Amino acid sequence: EAGVTQSPTHLIKTRGQQATLRCSPISGHTSVYWYQQALGLGLQFLLWYDEGEERNRGNFPPRFSGRQFPNYSSELNVNALELEDSALYLCASSRNTGTGGLQYFGPGTRLTVT
Amino acid sequence: EDQVTQSPEALRLQEGESSSLNCSYTVSGLRGLFWYRQDPGKGPEFLFTLYSAGEEKEKERLKATLTKKESFLHITAPKPEDSATYLCAVQGSSWGKLQFGAGTQVVVTP
Repeated sequence: EAGVTQSPTHLIKTRGQQATLRCSPISGHTSVYWYQQALGLGLQFLLWYDEGEERNRGNFPPRFSGRQFPNYSSELNVNALELEDSALYLCASSRNTGTGGLQYFGPGTRLTVT
Repeated sequence: EDQVTQSPEALRLQEGESSSLNCSYTVSGLRGLFWYRQDPGKGPEFLFTLYSAGEEKEKERLKATLTKKESFLHITAPKPEDSATYLCAVQGSSWGKLQFGAGTQVVVTP
């Protein structure tokens, strides 16, 4: 069974630009989660999507947004990039139990903002 | 707000030297406690889920236990391939959200 896939592996952007990160969940999983792992910090919850709807959001500014497509894949968009947005962005997927299920993580996208 | 504290921050072990990692948590309505392993530059790999105090799970050289306030990950007779950062997370009142600890970096030397 294929795991969670993310693209691109690495992304380099300039401050003020926009970044788009993509995630494909495990087959049969309808929920997608996004986390940020900045250097020296733990994983911070960003967003949870299920059945195309945003179900929960972490303490991040509105310039962090996303969407989920009918095939359950997801995009994370970060607008007006700042230097501190440099981090490993991790996507996870799960079957939805109503409150969120067991999350399996992808390999991540390393975003570098210069 | 849910909180997770892991200790120690780092642990250096000789091959075969057993030890335990601690995860202390405060959460409103625990829906699950999760242990993951993360290798450098990679995504976390799921190890265990625990749901209620007294529960224990084992996988090869790893054993996870849960009380009402903390969880332990016991590493028995570790090998160099057990070197990784071990992450503890809880799912509580904020649905879908995993609240992670900072992790324990384990290095096992031959």
